[in-house]
Amino acid sequence: AQKITQTQPGMFVQEKEAVTLDCTYDTSDPSYGLFWYKQPSSGEMIFLIYQGSYDQQNATEGRYSLNFQKARKSANLVISASQLGDSAMYFCAGGQGAQKLVFGQGTRLTINP
Amino acid sequence: DSGVTQTPKHLITATGQRVTLRCSPRSGDLSVYWYQQSLDQGLQFLIQYYNGEERAKGNILERFSAQQFPDLHSELNLSSLELGDSALYFCASSSTGLGYSYEQYFGPGTRLTVT
Repeated sequence: AQKITQTQPGMFVQEKEAVTLDCTYDTSDPSYGLFWYKQPSSGEMIFLIYQGSYDQQNATEGRYSLNFQKARKSANLVISASQLGDSAMYFCAGGQGAQKLVFGQGTRLTINP
Repeated sequence: DSGVTQTPKHLITATGQRVTLRCSPRSGDLSVYWYQQSLDQGLQFLIQYYNGEERAKGNILERFSAQQFPDLHSELNLSSLELGDSALYFCASSSTGLGYSYEQYFGPGTRLTVT
């Protein structure tokens, strides 16, 4: 069975610092995708970034990058130059093909001014 | 704005009642997924439809059912509601139900409160 683990329930970071949110996955499927979503206090789920298991380079989207280490089965999200608006819950999710997403328990990120 | 719409935004109802949640996917997306987010269970997959056909089932109770219509909008029906069904219900859509992994875009959710 697929499993996503996020070991940091909460993180506190100073504004403008970089932050890394950890995510490990457990699946035997070689064709697997990892996703990160942001959920602000308003409740919506905002897609941030995607990494396919066969992608040769780490994914980047603006200030978001994904540190993908296949041997360690980790897909950590890196946010550079954090902003107050980055305060939210962050969920790592994994999926095979276009099937369901399995979510981790989330990390609550708080950016301090 | 993800392009996925869900109605209603909030729903308050009593135990034993039946409700219908509606979702319209992004233009062109054929796959629709339903997820439930609760404090104790986290985010859980309920069911997936692709172009009108049920594709996969997750932890969906027998009291719950869903369908996808020819215009690709989807409805999630919840019946004999219990207090434990109170949760945020998300609909997501993606452009394909076949092949490689693809991004799922989420709607704003419907917050269901059962009293």
